[in-house]
Amino acid sequence: GAVVSQHPSWVICKSGTSVKIECRSLDFQATTMFWYRQFPKQSLMLMATSNEGSKATYEQGVEKDKFLINHASLTLSTLTVTSAHPEDSSFYICSAPVPKGNYEQYFGPGTRLTVT
Amino acid sequence: KQEVTQIPAALSVPEGENLVLNCSFTDSAIYNLQWFRQDPGKGLTSLLLIQSSQREQTSGRLNASLDKSSGRSTLYIAASQPGDSATYLCAVNSGNTPLVFGKGTRLSVIA
Repeated sequence: GAVVSQHPSWVICKSGTSVKIECRSLDFQATTMFWYRQFPKQSLMLMATSNEGSKATYEQGVEKDKFLINHASLTLSTLTVTSAHPEDSSFYICSAPVPKGNYEQYFGPGTRLTVT
Repeated sequence: KQEVTQIPAALSVPEGENLVLNCSFTDSAIYNLQWFRQDPGKGLTSLLLIQSSQREQTSGRLNASLDKSSGRSTLYIAASQPGDSATYLCAVNSGNTPLVFGKGTRLSVIA
């Protein structure tokens, strides 16, 4: 099946700094990627939809100026958490649907962010 | 707005037992329903995908059924093993759209 990678797998940063998370589709082109966030013992919640060549679409309550998304190519989307706060500590996971066929979504392994 | 509910929230069973996890969704206009497994602190493992035109899918000891008209799906696990202990997530989408997840069922299989 299709493979989606994420980097880094975990990161610890200080409050006020910025962190960039990369999501790559390794063997297919993804015009769309989705970014989810998962707090401890909760389910995955959609943050935004990343579209290649256009602006991302953010879910209600997600600050677009704080969570910058750039879909630079057909295989790469990045999420930058700016001016991170401890409450941004979470598990961030991306997914990409295979563009042809049954729209099955493939998930990256996730990035655990801890803000101290 | 699509909402996905999973029952029960947690389940503890002895090894060898057959079990059923339930998932319901409010909007029957779905394209796919996917079942995932998530181990503590880890990412998602896709178990089964059922397209809206299908009624069930099977993989090994797992069988997932879909009743789109009633907005229900079940995941059947046969002969449960301690290694099956994890959180099981149900999610739906309506094509090239993001998945909407339930809150999951936390399964413990006791040896």
